[in-house]
Amino acid sequence: DGGITQSPKYLFRKEGQNVTLSCEQNLNHDAMYWYRQDPGQGLRLIYYSQIVNDFQKGDIAEGYSVSREKKESFPLTVTSAQKNPTAFYLCASSEGNTYGYTFGSGTRLTVV
Amino acid sequence: GIQVEQSPPDLILQEGANSTLRCNFSDSVNNLQWFHQNPWGQLINLFYIPSGTKQNGRLSATTVATERYSLLYISSSQTTDSGVYFCAVQEAGTYKYIFGTGTRLKVLA
Repeated sequence: DGGITQSPKYLFRKEGQNVTLSCEQNLNHDAMYWYRQDPGQGLRLIYYSQIVNDFQKGDIAEGYSVSREKKESFPLTVTSAQKNPTAFYLCASSEGNTYGYTFGSGTRLTVV
Repeated sequence: GIQVEQSPPDLILQEGANSTLRCNFSDSVNNLQWFHQNPWGQLINLFYIPSGTKQNGRLSATTVATERYSLLYISSSQTTDSGVYFCAVQEAGTYKYIFGTGTRLKVLA
């Protein structure tokens, strides 16, 4: 079945460590997105990519980095520069900017 | 940037009741989506509806882009409808979707 796979589901990070969240899709979608969700809040855009080897900053990109070397993959690195990384991270994809999103099941990151 | 407001913020219904959720946005948008987030965090796309009316089973949605609002109707609600409903609007000329803060729905058996 086509879909988006995020891994891991739960991730614990020590202060000062970088961690990478995986997002893979087999929907042949061109565009991919990373969102952050804090408890009781809506989603905020971190980064998005419209095409391979290209990506754009969203509203809260500071402390995060991404790459888009393959159409299927859009990993997110949460760096030590991100001051408050504990959150629920959601990856999405779409065929283009005039189509709806498909979301992955998310990764819950906790700083310990 | 665009502001997206959803109302009501919280809603409790008895099973079988009908409800209307509202999404207001502050500027012209290219596109609009409605999502349901289940208690485990999974977001499901309900409607892609930049304008007009669509129906899918017990759910329907209407967007009046010229008046900057969208409505989501839930009829004969079921306990499985519980969760958070988000409206997201796409800023004109960009790929960016801006999410509202959601309506938290609880349906009681």
